[in-house]
Amino acid sequence: DAMVIQNPRYQVTQFGKPVTLSCSQTLNHNVMYWYQQKSSQAPKLLFHYYDKDFNNEADTPDNFQSRRPNTSFCFLDIRSPGLGDAAMYLCATSRATGGTETQYFGPGTRLLVL
Amino acid sequence: DQQVKQNSPSLSVQEGRISILNCDYTNSMFDYFLWYKKYPAEGPTFLISISSIKDKNEDGRFTVFLNKSAKHLSLHIVPSQPGDSAVYFCAASSNYGGSQGNLIFGKGTKLSVKP
Repeated sequence: DAMVIQNPRYQVTQFGKPVTLSCSQTLNHNVMYWYQQKSSQAPKLLFHYYDKDFNNEADTPDNFQSRRPNTSFCFLDIRSPGLGDAAMYLCATSRATGGTETQYFGPGTRLLVL
Repeated sequence: DQQVKQNSPSLSVQEGRISILNCDYTNSMFDYFLWYKKYPAEGPTFLISISSIKDKNEDGRFTVFLNKSAKHLSLHIVPSQPGDSAVYFCAASSNYGGSQGNLIFGKGTKLSVKP
């Protein structure tokens, strides 16, 4: 089945220790998104790739970076995680055709910062 | 400033009855609306969507209604089943401007369907 895969499902890191979360997709979608969702909050878009073009949201901290080495994979790098970065991180994909397209989500990675 | 609001954090409904989940938005540029369902420890799953050129879209037990003048949409589930128990997120996007295609989510409504 075509899907969005996120690894790991749970990640524990130490305060200030860089961490990388990964996302892969078999949908062959050209757009990939990263969201942060904290408890009882709405998912918040951090950035997205439209093909190879990176689009950062204005309020995304510089601490968060992303890489997309090819169509299938996208990584979220948190350079120096703080306690406030503990959250669920959701990857999503869509096939943009000029209009608004439905986004399909992975299961998420829950990040704990100790 | 929340552009998409789900004012009911939770809703409890008896099995077989109708569930109505509500969503309000403030940005008149939104032209596409979606509902996602989320089970614990899983990512949101797309449920149903509606374009602003329509006022109703139906898919099986799920119907979404859009009232553009009131900037309000609702999701109806009939009949409700225990397996529908989940958190439901309303999301909206605009085909215009620099944020084309980006989804703005509400905080979600937790639906509990009791047998």
